[in-house]
Order: sequence, then C-alpha cells, then structure tokens
Amino acid sequence: QKEVEQDPGPLSVPEGAIVSLNCTYSNSAFQYFMWYRQYSRKGPELLMYTYSSGNKEDGRFTAQVDKSSKYISLFIRDSQPSDSATYLCAMRSPGNQFYFGTGTSLTVIP
Amino acid sequence: ETGVTQTPRHLVMGMTNKKSLKCEQHLGHNAMYWYKQSAKKPLELMFVYNFKEQTENNSVPSRFSPECPNSSHLFLHLHTLQPEDSALYLCASSQEDSGRSSYNEQFFGPGTRLTVL
Repeated sequence: QKEVEQDPGPLSVPEGAIVSLNCTYSNSAFQYFMWYRQYSRKGPELLMYTYSSGNKEDGRFTAQVDKSSKYISLFIRDSQPSDSATYLCAMRSPGNQFYFGTGTSLTVIP
Repeated sequence: ETGVTQTPRHLVMGMTNKKSLKCEQHLGHNAMYWYKQSAKKPLELMFVYNFKEQTENNSVPSRFSPECPNSSHLFLHLHTLQPEDSALYLCASSQEDSGRSSYNEQFFGPGTRLTVL
C-alpha cells in the first residue's frame, strides 16, 4: 500500500466552480499535512499546511484534515484560470520524512 | 538571485556521459534536499543534507552522487545513467531547528529537466 494516494486526474472545471482535491494516507503517525501548487516548468510552492484535524482557510483556499479517516482535502472556491496547475499533497512524519502524492492536474476553463 | 536556483534547467545526456546538476539557495537555510519527479509518480526524496552532513540517502543508485560543499550549494553528480533516470530533478531547502519537531517549509527550485538517451 502506498503511503499517500492521490488521484492524478486530470480535472477540468469551468471558471467559478468549487474544486475539491483529495488525498488519503496510511500512516497514522503523520503530523503535518501540506498542499503544494506546481505550475508548468516550475517547482512546487507551498499553498497551505495544517497540523491537526479540522479546517484551515486562506482566501479562496480551505484545507481540511480528517485524521480519523486518514483523509485530507483542498477546496478552491471561485476557481480562476490562474489556478490551473498540478496540486500535490504531502505529509510529514515525526522523523521529518516527507511523503508526496502523485499530484492532481487541474485546468480551469475561462 | 532570490530563493532556490538550479542549473541547468534542461539537460540531455547519453548513458556514458558525466554531468552535474547545481543548486544554490539564497535563503540562509541549513538543510537542502534532492528530489526526483517522474510523470504519474510521487516526488521521491533522494538525499538530505542537514547542516552540511548527509542525513538521508533513500537507497539511491550509486550512479547519483551528491555533494554539499557548504550550506548554500548542493550538487548532484551523474554518471552512466539509464533512460529511466529521465525526470525532473528538484532541489529544495529549509531551515531546520535541531531537537525540535516543528514544521519547516521546504522551498523548491524550478528543477532540471533531465533526458537520458
């Protein structure tokens, strides 16, 4: 079983739609949960990170963690064409090891 | 220059060539990382340098050889690579606090797109 599972997509939505991106994980010891955005020909950049179960909001982005289900989500409200990118979930273990998902490719159509 | 820079951005090499990838971070961080990103696969951590000491090597083949001469520079020396080594190689850096298990953001460079013929 993979440490982190993420649907690679591709996901295509119209501008203004609400986007839901998800990952599941198998290791209950994971402590930090991150979402990275990667534009074409660029390195990943951190969007948000959370430590505990619950929601964290930043502008149009909401990160949600459910540790009991080992499930994390990223919601994008009022999606824009500039949100078109690959979104990577990542988790960190207590030993400071990072585990990444495969990334979900998102296209927001104007 | 700001952030994390990588050179070259693109590299094409034959299986018998020797080449090196370079990474430089301008953030004053003390930890640097090499990752491999292949299509449809998760980022794979290859090497970690913390305070210039290699602290992790995830069973990477010996044809990849890292070098960290100081806390700002990181190299990945390549020799006798295979076509399956073609991928995007990403460098990252972070500021690690010894003895504390806190979250420290990793900042990534733009990557080197490597093609092995």
